[in-house]
Amino acid sequence: DTEVTQTPKHLVMGMTNKKSLKCEQHMGHRAMYWYKQKAKKPPELMFVYSYEKLSINESVPSRFSPECPNSSLLNLHLHALQPEDSALYLCASRRGSSYNEQFFGPGTRLTVL
Amino acid sequence: AQSVTQLGSHVSVSEGALVLLRCNYSSSVPPYLFWYVQYPNQGLQLLLKYTSAATLVKGINGFEAEFKKSETSFHLTKPSAHMSDAAEYFCAVTDNYGGSQGNLIFGKGTKLSVKP
Repeated sequence: DTEVTQTPKHLVMGMTNKKSLKCEQHMGHRAMYWYKQKAKKPPELMFVYSYEKLSINESVPSRFSPECPNSSLLNLHLHALQPEDSALYLCASRRGSSYNEQFFGPGTRLTVL
Repeated sequence: AQSVTQLGSHVSVSEGALVLLRCNYSSSVPPYLFWYVQYPNQGLQLLLKYTSAATLVKGINGFEAEFKKSETSFHLTKPSAHMSDAAEYFCAVTDNYGGSQGNLIFGKGTKLSVKP
């Protein structure tokens, strides 16, 4: 199994809603990432988990809350988002050393009304 | 600090023509370099990577890239474009030093259009 899965594929939420994005991989990768991608832009790094511990938080607002319950699963909890948070949210994972590539999931298209 | 510059935000070629997408990097240490492709509303897929082995790297879908240290470049080429190659292409760099933990630093991307 060499893929990263993400659910849901699409999500529409209001500014007062609470929702979660889910990412899963079964490749034994111990580094997992959340990215945000706006249209016609490269992905922006949000969070990095290494061995289930949050190692990097790129000054992301607290309305985004990551969670890594186990080595295969990564969640991103969303609360009180703003319309400008609408974007494609990508999850990725990587095996071992930094010369290994990151494997990306298909993304969740989020629209905040 | 590492960075990459992709020259040309949009490249248009005819089907069957040579594809050349340019990437220049800046790194104070030996870099690891990657090319990713993104089709509309999809995630990123690795095309190829350079990790200090052979300087000419072959990837999927007929793409290849040559690492040129003297020019700090890692341009992506394909001899003959197909309609299915139309997509966004990202060059990225990472390193194994300091606190970056191998995080990817992306260029701004180049959109490739293929005309019939």
